[in-house]
Amino acid sequence: GDSVTQMEGPVTLSEEAFLTINCTYTATGYPSLFWYVQYPGEGLQLLLKATKADDKGSNKGFEATYRKETTSFHLEKGSVQVSDSAVYFCALRKSSASKIIFGSGTRLSIRP
Amino acid sequence: DAGVTQSPTHLIKTRGQQVTLRCSPKSGHDTVSWYQQALGQGPQFIFQYYEEEERQRGNFPDRFSGHQFPNYSSELNVNALLLGDSALYLCASTRGAGGPREQFFGPGTRLTVL
Repeated sequence: GDSVTQMEGPVTLSEEAFLTINCTYTATGYPSLFWYVQYPGEGLQLLLKATKADDKGSNKGFEATYRKETTSFHLEKGSVQVSDSAVYFCALRKSSASKIIFGSGTRLSIRP
Repeated sequence: DAGVTQSPTHLIKTRGQQVTLRCSPKSGHDTVSWYQQALGQGPQFIFQYYEEEERQRGNFPDRFSGHQFPNYSSELNVNALLLGDSALYLCASTRGAGGPREQFFGPGTRLTVL
């Protein structure tokens, strides 16, 4: 079945470091891909999305490119801040369905 | 513009009891989905309601049931609670069933089963 696999955490970085969180997916067809962020005590917020191959989603300095050849959607940020500390979820959604399939999440901690 | 709201925020129940969680969708949205997020895991899709009917269902037992009201708000009911039902329950709303429309998530209800 369809699934999302993302790198296990926790990931701890110093402020201003470069961030990469790996995500790969398994799905038939052409799903839309998402990154969601969950701050402590809050619900999920959509961080960025891409709906077709080679699309790049970006928001708040974060970027991810939809790579169909490698079935990947890695999250990157050039310079992280303490306020980026949160749990990040990679997810997919089939164009013909409405449920979202999530990865298990990656906890990111940024130290000053 | 109010976003997705859920109540209660926290809930403690004992095994075998029944629980009802509530969700009000974002203004203008008519479709509500429910997800279960166990500790340290990603959310798992429970079911979706549109036009007061269950449209899609994930791999959850019949103990999990729901309802959608004419004002688009929704309830999630869980009967015969098990310890493993302890989780954060998230409600998400969107406009129209299916398609690539963004789902907006509420803050969740934290259910603890003792």
